Amino acid sequence: GNSVTQMEGPVTLSEEAFLTINCTYTATGYPSLFWYVQYPGEGLQLLLKATKADDKGSNKGFEATYRKETTSFHLEKGSVQVSDSAVYFCALSESGGADGLTFGKGTHLIIQP
Amino acid sequence: GAVVSQHPSRVICKSGTSVKIECRSLDFQATTMFWYRQFPKKSLMLMATSNEGSKATYEQGVEKDKFLINHASLTLSTLTVTSAHPEDSSFYICSAPRPGLSDEQYFGPGTRLTVT
Repeated sequence: GNSVTQMEGPVTLSEEAFLTINCTYTATGYPSLFWYVQYPGEGLQLLLKATKADDKGSNKGFEATYRKETTSFHLEKGSVQVSDSAVYFCALSESGGADGLTFGKGTHLIIQP
Repeated sequence: GAVVSQHPSRVICKSGTSVKIECRSLDFQATTMFWYRQFPKKSLMLMATSNEGSKATYEQGVEKDKFLINHASLTLSTLTVTSAHPEDSSFYICSAPRPGLSDEQYFGPGTRLTVT
């Protein structure tokens, strides 16, 4: 079956630091890959996605590149802000989303001023 | 603003009772909705797919008689936890596919269920 593995947190960084959250996946087919973010007290929101190999998703300064050869989709940001503090989930979807999403365990990111 | 709502946001019930959680899509129709369960420090686990006009599809290991799902309309799905036990205490989250981009999901804010 499908699975997503991401680094477990919490990850604590200082403001303006460089961020990497690793994510690797196992899938039987050719999935779409996502990063969702959950801010305190809110529902999950789509942060970015990529649907095919070598695609780069980007949003709000975050980027992730779909690497089929390494089955990875690492999330990066060059300079984090306190407002980026949240839980980040890597996820995949096959069948065009008809079968729901497979999530990683989530990484709690804490940015200190 | 939120495009998927859940009600209630928190509920406490006694063992043996049943509790219903509602998931509504706001301003769009959803023939399919998904129900997830989130354990502390764990990933969201897909429980079932709610299908308007037909039976829900449950993931392996999820008891369909315990977690009753009804997709009452194109904007409403309900999850009823029957004969709740303390081990059913969890965070339940629903989602609906974004219209026109079905591989993206809009998520509800979740419902915290505590069974005493």
